[in-house]
Amino acid sequence: DVKVTQSSRYLVKRTGEKVFLECVQDMDHENMFWYRQDPGLGLRLIYFSYDVKMKEKGDIPEGYSVSREKKERFSLILESASTNQTSMYLCASGTGANTGELFFGEGSRLTVL
Amino acid sequence: AQRVTQPEKLLSVFKGAPVELKCNYSYSGSPELFWYVQYSRQRLQLLLRHISRESIKGFTADLNKGETSFHLKKPFAQEEDSAMYYCALKEYGNKLVFGAGTILRVKS
Repeated sequence: DVKVTQSSRYLVKRTGEKVFLECVQDMDHENMFWYRQDPGLGLRLIYFSYDVKMKEKGDIPEGYSVSREKKERFSLILESASTNQTSMYLCASGTGANTGELFFGEGSRLTVL
Repeated sequence: AQRVTQPEKLLSVFKGAPVELKCNYSYSGSPELFWYVQYSRQRLQLLLRHISRESIKGFTADLNKGETSFHLKKPFAQEEDSAMYYCALKEYGNKLVFGAGTILRVKS
């Protein structure tokens, strides 16, 4: 059973703080993704990675960066959190076969005050 | 840019009634489309993909290239179908573009 684990389910941070969201998958998937989920806007892709040390910008990368030093781990970094980054963040992974089937984590709900 | 449109934020039906969740897309190429579902307090998960032409939990979806649609249908709704449903379009690799989502509420 594929497991994608997001280390923090709920976070509350202050404006300007640096925030790290961690994601680990245990199925040796090549691809990993970070989305944010907002009511009325659906899921929007922030960054993704097809391989270790590789990253590509998604549709809304501004204000975010990522790190993928190991195949199983994909981190999302908010260098200086702002209130408009209050959201649910979803991590996902998928195989290199590119089937379009993504496996999602439970989500990290971030509130920036 | 590729887009996925789900025109309804909320669809409310009675148990046993037919369900149709609408999805329209724009894509310059041969599209691959998916429906994902998120039940209350559960992870987002794949429901079905158009390539498989399968029925999952009684749901089907047919790709209509002429109308650029991929509507999700079920003849008789059940209470356990209540969830958030997302239509998604595969751009390349595993990169998916999602619609805004539709909440399906099945009333008893």
